Amino acid sequence: DAGVTQSPTHLIKTRGQQVTLRCSPKSGHDTVSWYQQALGQGPQFIFQYYEEEERQRGNFPDRFSGHQFPNYSSELNVNALLLGDSALYLCASTSSRGGFQTQYFGPGTRLLVL
Amino acid sequence: KQEVTQIPAALSVPEGENLVLNCSFTDSAIYNLQWFRQDPGKGLTSLLLIQSSQREQTSGRLNASLDKSSGRSTLYIAASQPGDSATYLCAVSPGDDKIIFGKGTRLHILP
Repeated sequence: DAGVTQSPTHLIKTRGQQVTLRCSPKSGHDTVSWYQQALGQGPQFIFQYYEEEERQRGNFPDRFSGHQFPNYSSELNVNALLLGDSALYLCASTSSRGGFQTQYFGPGTRLLVL
Repeated sequence: KQEVTQIPAALSVPEGENLVLNCSFTDSAIYNLQWFRQDPGKGLTSLLLIQSSQREQTSGRLNASLDKSSGRSTLYIAASQPGDSATYLCAVSPGDDKIIFGKGTRLHILP
């Protein structure tokens, strides 16, 4: 049973570019959340997707957007990249049938913006 | 606004010692509290989850306690080993499913 998978593992972009990160949830999970973890900080909640819609959103600008597909996988898009967007981006999945309890985290995508 | 604080920020102890990591949160209205482990450059591994109605959880050499009324949790690690070296993150869920994390405690076990 595969856990949460994310791609790519590493990515280098320049300021102003756009990036798309991908996440496949754990088998049986239907809800995906995205977190940003800057160096030396704890992860910060970006948003959560359930039933292909954004269910909750943290304090992130509109440059951060997402999508959930019918197979429950998800994408995180960041437009007009800034140096401060350099971070580890973590995806977590959970199940609505379990009351959204116990989130499982993927290995993350490390984004470097130059 | 819920805030999670972890003390100390970093800790080095000799192998074999017992140790305690501390976590405090400002809003006692939480659904659950989790302790995670993060190895350098890696994702998160959930160690223990304590429901708001529980006082503690144990897994092997790890024991986590929760005192909701005082907004505190501790993670106790018995007989520490070099393989325990990692960053330990405390996180609370306010009930709407997002998780709010502390900044973590970087633990180094000296062989």
